[in-house]
Formats: sequence, C-alpha cells, structure tokens
Amino acid sequence: DQQVKQNSPSLSVQEGRISILNCDYTNSMFDYFLWYKKYPAEGPTFLISISSIKDKNEDGRFTVFLNKSAKHLSLHIVPSQPGDSAVYFCAASSPGGSQGNLIFGKGTKLSVKP
Amino acid sequence: GAGVSQTPSNKVTEKGKYVELRCDPISGHTALYWYRQSLGQGPEFLIYFQGTGAADDSGLPNDRFFAVRPEGSVSTLKIQRTERGDSAVYLCASSLVGIADTQYFGPGTRLTVL
Repeated sequence: DQQVKQNSPSLSVQEGRISILNCDYTNSMFDYFLWYKKYPAEGPTFLISISSIKDKNEDGRFTVFLNKSAKHLSLHIVPSQPGDSAVYFCAASSPGGSQGNLIFGKGTKLSVKP
Repeated sequence: GAGVSQTPSNKVTEKGKYVELRCDPISGHTALYWYRQSLGQGPEFLIYFQGTGAADDSGLPNDRFFAVRPEGSVSTLKIQRTERGDSAVYLCASSLVGIADTQYFGPGTRLTVL
C-alpha cells in the first residue's frame, strides 16, 4: 500500500512550455512535502518543499501547490528547459514517531524536448 | 563545501557474503539517514540516526541489516548473508538537525548480489 503515489511514470514536454508533475498521498497526517530531482548515477537533489499549513510555495521557475482536501500536490515548472530532464520524486514526511524519514513516490521521468 | 559522500560507488558480491557500505555526511549535520532504492521505485527508508543513536530503525527489512554511527559522523551500513534481493542502490542522506530539515543525498552505492 503506497502512501505516496506518482501515477505518471513519464512526461514529455516541449522546451519553454509548462511541466506539471502530480503526486497523491493517502495519509492525512503527513505535514511536510518535498520534491527531489534525480539525474542518472547521482543522488536525489532537493528542489522545493511545502508545509501543510500552506497551499503554495514558489521558487523561481518552480512552484508547488498543495490541495489538502484532495490529498494532492503538484509541481509546476515554467518555462521548462532541457536541463530539467530528470526523474522527479515526491516525498512526504512520516507522521508521528521520529518524523525523521521521508516516504517517496516511485518518481516521474520528465523529458524536455528542445 | 563537500556534500555527502558514499563508498564504494559500486559493490559486487556473491550471495551469502558480508558487505559494508560507508557514508560520510556533510560536516556538522547531526541527522543521518539510509535509504534503499530498487529499480523503478523511489527511495525506501531504512534507518535514521540522530547523533550516535538510531532514532528510528523501523525500515530495516530484517536482522541481516545493521547500521552504526559510533562517533556521530561517519556511518556504516552492514549487510550479513547477502541475498540476491538485496541488490539495489543504497542512498545515504544527512540533514542539519533532523525533523523537517532538508535532507541532502549522496550519490549512492550500487550493490549487486550475484
């Protein structure tokens, strides 16, 4: 039973257009969400995060939207660039306990075509 | 400054052997995490250290897996009697304090059990 789901394994977008990556979660106790980007043979790199008390966080070309009622978040990249081509992971912080670990989705591979 | 480093980058071993994977966190980071990423999956939490102690080891799959961080810096993940199903990329991450802090990942160790 996956608690964090990324239902699109891949996404292809034209350079300059908007990329929208989606993520759903099942546990309403999650209170912190992050997006990581991963290039081949490298570890995941932190991109942007959002606390459950907010519904939007923006950092340059990257914006994360959180819809708590729908248990859904999305990452918008605009404009998309070829260097954005990577696997994007959505993650949520574990409720209760140490809250030290992250629960990841399976990732979405983004390809930005020149 | 230097990021999280992991050695070796690749490890090939035979079924039944013992392996050790090393992680050097970012200097000054008190929290250290181990994750495992299998093909086509997102990183899966294994264990979280706060200082020298394991704050949460609920992700370790069985008692063949063990991790230490004796001086609160470098950590070693130890796997006894390796099985083919242990083949994966083992990722280490560190964060400044812990809860809700951004985790910075190393490049991972690719373990292959023949």
